[in-house]
Amino acid sequence: DVKVTQSSRYLVKRTGEKVFLECVQDMDHENMFWYRQDPGLGLRLIYFSYDVKMKEKGDIPEGYSVSREKKERFSLILESASTNQTSMYLCASRSTGNYGYTFGSGTRLTVV
Amino acid sequence: KNEVEQSPQNLTAQEGEFITINCSYSVGISALHWLQQHPGGGIVSLFMLSSGKKKHGRLIATINIQEKHSSLHITASHPRDSAVYICAVTLGSNYQLIWGAGTKLIIKP
Repeated sequence: DVKVTQSSRYLVKRTGEKVFLECVQDMDHENMFWYRQDPGLGLRLIYFSYDVKMKEKGDIPEGYSVSREKKERFSLILESASTNQTSMYLCASRSTGNYGYTFGSGTRLTVV
Repeated sequence: KNEVEQSPQNLTAQEGEFITINCSYSVGISALHWLQQHPGGGIVSLFMLSSGKKKHGRLIATINIQEKHSSLHITASHPRDSAVYICAVTLGSNYQLIWGAGTKLIIKP
């Protein structure tokens, strides 16, 4: 069964900490995405990557960076966590030749 | 105006009822997606459509490209179908999903 795995289901971090959210897919997909989901705002794209070492800004990249050193892994980095980054973070992947998406189960991050 | 509009926003029904959720879009698309999210959970892709109709168990999705409209139907609804159902579209070679606001469905026993 194909999977997108997010390393943590729940995470609590302090303001100012550097936070890493990890996402791994086992489908050899070229494209990977990071979204955040907030009540009333729906899902918003933070960053996406269409190949190893390639990245593109989404709609709300400020305060975030990403890393894709290997095809299967896409990391979201909060350089200095702030309380307004408290949210549900969802990772997804997709093959270039197939428009279907596979989502991870999400990481609920709380910044205190 | 949002590019992807869903209706209704909220829907409460009794177990066994036939459910319809609608999605309209205003742009040319390459595919339309129906996704499901349970409370506190990740997102599951239900269907990807570019034309016609697809069926999986009690779920049926249809799309009318000319009218830019899609529907998701649930037959013999069950409380475990309670979730948020989201319509999203992809445009050509653009990788991004354009999301609808979601429909919160509650099925009462």
